[in-house]
Amino acid sequence: QVQLVQSGAEVKKPGASVKVSCKASGYIFTNYGITWVRQAPGQGLEWMGWISVYNGNTNYAQNLQGRVTMTTDTSTRTVYMDLRSLRFDDTAVYYCARVEGSSSSNWLDPWGQGTLVTVSS
Amino acid sequence: QSVLTQPPSVSAAPGQKVTISCSGSSSNIGKNYVSWYQQLPGTAPKVVIYDNNKRPSGIPDRFSGSKSGTSATLGITGLQTGDEADYYCGTWDSSLSVWVFGGGTKLTVL
Repeated sequence: QVQLVQSGAEVKKPGASVKVSCKASGYIFTNYGITWVRQAPGQGLEWMGWISVYNGNTNYAQNLQGRVTMTTDTSTRTVYMDLRSLRFDDTAVYYCARVEGSSSSNWLDPWGQGTLVTVSS
Repeated sequence: QSVLTQPPSVSAAPGQKVTISCSGSSSNIGKNYVSWYQQLPGTAPKVVIYDNNKRPSGIPDRFSGSKSGTSATLGITGLQTGDEADYYCGTWDSSLSVWVFGGGTKLTVL
């Protein structure tokens, strides 16, 4: 079945970087883009950006520009999200999700199980 | 402040019906399809409605969706305690070139 499995929880200090992985299985990897969404404790969902697994094109949320990089490794069917210069308010659960559909019709399915990133001194 | 506006909470008794609204603008809901996500406590979100009103396989027909102009609505009939969750609407915003979510609605089944 279609599945996204993410890497484990991380604890980082302010100013450090974190790299979260998202390994896909059960479908043609290059046919779908992957989006990253984060959720701070007790808060709603925040879209971080999107990567085309087909050609590596990216589109990042403006508030994360310059701090986030999304990459893919087609040989291992894995997508990575790298967030730099971590701040306390980056503490959140980070999700990857496959982008279904095309053009004006897009939805996110399935989602990874989530990766808790805690920024603490 | 979310681009899409949802009520913070709704509640209803088991067996009853509830609707959750999602209000946007001409650049997001007015131009693109809407999807709805259910997030049970401590779990990842899961799509329950896509393309405004379509249900993925495995989602019961108690869940329905509609869209009119710049607003969308999720309906759930025959409420069960297992439906207690946070529900989020989402769509693409063609002006901002970003995916946008509503702030989420907490459904309580009394």
